[in-house]
Amino acid sequence: GENVEQHPSTLSVQEGDSAVIKCTYSDSASNYFPWYKQELGKGPQLIIDIRSNVGEKKDQRIAVTLNKTAKHFSLHITETQPEDSAVYFCAAPVVLASYDKVIFGPGTSLSVIP
Amino acid sequence: GAVVSQHPSWVICKSGTSVKIECRSLDFQATTMFWYRQFPKQSLMLMATSNEGSKATYEQGVEKDKFLINHASLTLSTLTVTSAHPEDSSFYICSAGSADPLNYGYTFGSGTRLTVV
Repeated sequence: GENVEQHPSTLSVQEGDSAVIKCTYSDSASNYFPWYKQELGKGPQLIIDIRSNVGEKKDQRIAVTLNKTAKHFSLHITETQPEDSAVYFCAAPVVLASYDKVIFGPGTSLSVIP
Repeated sequence: GAVVSQHPSWVICKSGTSVKIECRSLDFQATTMFWYRQFPKQSLMLMATSNEGSKATYEQGVEKDKFLINHASLTLSTLTVTSAHPEDSSFYICSAGSADPLNYGYTFGSGTRLTVV
């Protein structure tokens, strides 16, 4: 069935270190993989996304890698800063006949320790 | 970039009353609108998906008569929580999907905090 798993559920890193969050999905037809950052009391904000025709995408300190064969993709944050502390969600679309529906992973609470 | 406006941002209502939440895509046409519910420290759970001009598709376990969804235009979708009860208190978030290949993706509203007393 439809399933998006995400690990770890919590992550603490020292400021300046890197953080990696991994997500696995079940629908092999999924072709778009976004990562969202959610701060307390706010809606999710897209921070980076990747389409299935590329294996990696980078935007300054944030990168996403995709392994379609293994059906997993990862978020990499380098040189972490305290303002990176938030809950991060991966998502993957489940491809249906007339539309795609987006299923979220359970989230990773990232704490960056100054 | 794409912007989705969601209102109200928070609402307190009495048990038994109905509450309407609006979600508007401001600068693009949303072919699909998604409604999510999020309980504290949990992930976003998809409630239903709606396409403009057609009935919404509800996820298993979501009561369609209680959570009425209307997607009358490509820029507006509404969620009405009917006969609200305290257990309906949650954070409701809409998301608009664009099929435009140049702007493909899903943009989220800022969420509505519903408290039923």
